[in-house]
Amino acid sequence: SQQGEEDPQALSIQEGENATMNCSYKTSINNLQWYRQNSGRGLVHLILIRSNEREKHSGRLRVTLDTSKKSSSLLITASRAADTASYFCAANEGGADGLTFGKGTHLIIQP
Amino acid sequence: DTAVSQTPKYLVTQMGNDKSIKCEQNLGHDTMYWYKQDSKKFLKIMFSYNNKELIINETVPNRFSPKSPDKAHLNLHINSLELGDSAVYFCASSQDGYSWETQYFGPGTRLLVL
Repeated sequence: SQQGEEDPQALSIQEGENATMNCSYKTSINNLQWYRQNSGRGLVHLILIRSNEREKHSGRLRVTLDTSKKSSSLLITASRAADTASYFCAANEGGADGLTFGKGTHLIIQP
Repeated sequence: DTAVSQTPKYLVTQMGNDKSIKCEQNLGHDTMYWYKQDSKKFLKIMFSYNNKELIINETVPNRFSPKSPDKAHLNLHINSLELGDSAVYFCASSQDGYSWETQYFGPGTRLLVL
């Protein structure tokens, strides 16, 4: 089954507003990771949250994890034009199955 | 310094040809990966190499073969290219593969099969 389904698929907001993206997964995980991909570039790791953590912060990023609902959210506060990118969550089930990425949320920050 | 590098950046070739994509990491990581990203941006893992041993091999055609001459390199060979192989291929590395922690991605190789 596919892990890491992001929602929404696309999001357009004004600069300065907050952006929230959600991710759902289907089985138990060791950790969940969020990555950013700028157009035509590789993925860049943003933040990792472990299964025993509920919230984590990194600069303007805030990630929450609800293992009972098998969901995670990524909040970007005070968005900037440079935040325009695709954001992917990746579920880590452990073992040899690796990370399973979702299809991403395409975020557009309007200046 | 580039942490994970791939060559070439773009690759345009005819159906039926054989091609290779090279990947190098200078992070001292133990595990390297190849991912395929399709036109809808869906990213799927293809291979993982840990200390020169293949530790996972997803259901990819055997026309694709990873080759690791040393811990810092993982090359991808593709034989008899097909139209459906057109995609962006990303190499990545991580400190170790058993815990599936942070992965560091290369810039990608955009393959177009005509």
